Amino acid sequence: GESVGLHLPTLSVQEGDNSIINCAYSNSASDYFIWYKQESGKGPQFIIDIRSNMDKRQGQRVTVLLNKTVKHLSLQIAATQPGDSAVYFCAENFQGAQKLVFGQGTRLTINP
Amino acid sequence: NAGVTQTPKFQVLKTGQSMTLQCAQDMNHEYMSWYRQDPGMGLRLIHYSVGAGITDQGEVPNGYNVSRSTTEDFPLRLLSAAPSQTSVYFCASSRNPGLQETQYFGPGTRLLVL
Repeated sequence: GESVGLHLPTLSVQEGDNSIINCAYSNSASDYFIWYKQESGKGPQFIIDIRSNMDKRQGQRVTVLLNKTVKHLSLQIAATQPGDSAVYFCAENFQGAQKLVFGQGTRLTINP
Repeated sequence: NAGVTQTPKFQVLKTGQSMTLQCAQDMNHEYMSWYRQDPGMGLRLIHYSVGAGITDQGEVPNGYNVSRSTTEDFPLRLLSAAPSQTSVYFCASSRNPGLQETQYFGPGTRLLVL
């Protein structure tokens, strides 16, 4: 059925290293994917999105990769900074659907 | 633009009480939605609206009512609060009802039902 999950609930990285957050989705009809960042006590904040006609999209310090063959999505954060500490959610949608399906989230912590 | 605003920020209710969580957006977005977020979990859709006068149920609609009389406002009503409704509630909006665009979230309302 429709579900979006994450391989790891927590991820710890050293400041300055690159972070990779993974997400698996089960609906092969999904064609739009979003990554959100949620800091403590705040609402989710849009980071980057990707449509299924692409396999890679880059933003400022972030890159999203989409592998439709294995239904896998990843978020790469370059040169991780303390301000990147948050919970990261992936979400999926398919054309015409009136809702997003969210994953459980991964907590990213930065070690000094 | 203020974006998506929610009131109150925090609320304590007794079992059986009713209340309305307010949500407003000033971006002229057609699509609005309500989610709840429980500890260690992602967001679950409660109700959504694709435009004024149109609402529909999401994944967890029981115990909640919504209405959409204007484009700007999308209140969420708890008719008889239960401890299971203790959660953080987020309102979101986007331009495209098909959701193939960014959804903007409000800051959330923390609800505690005793």
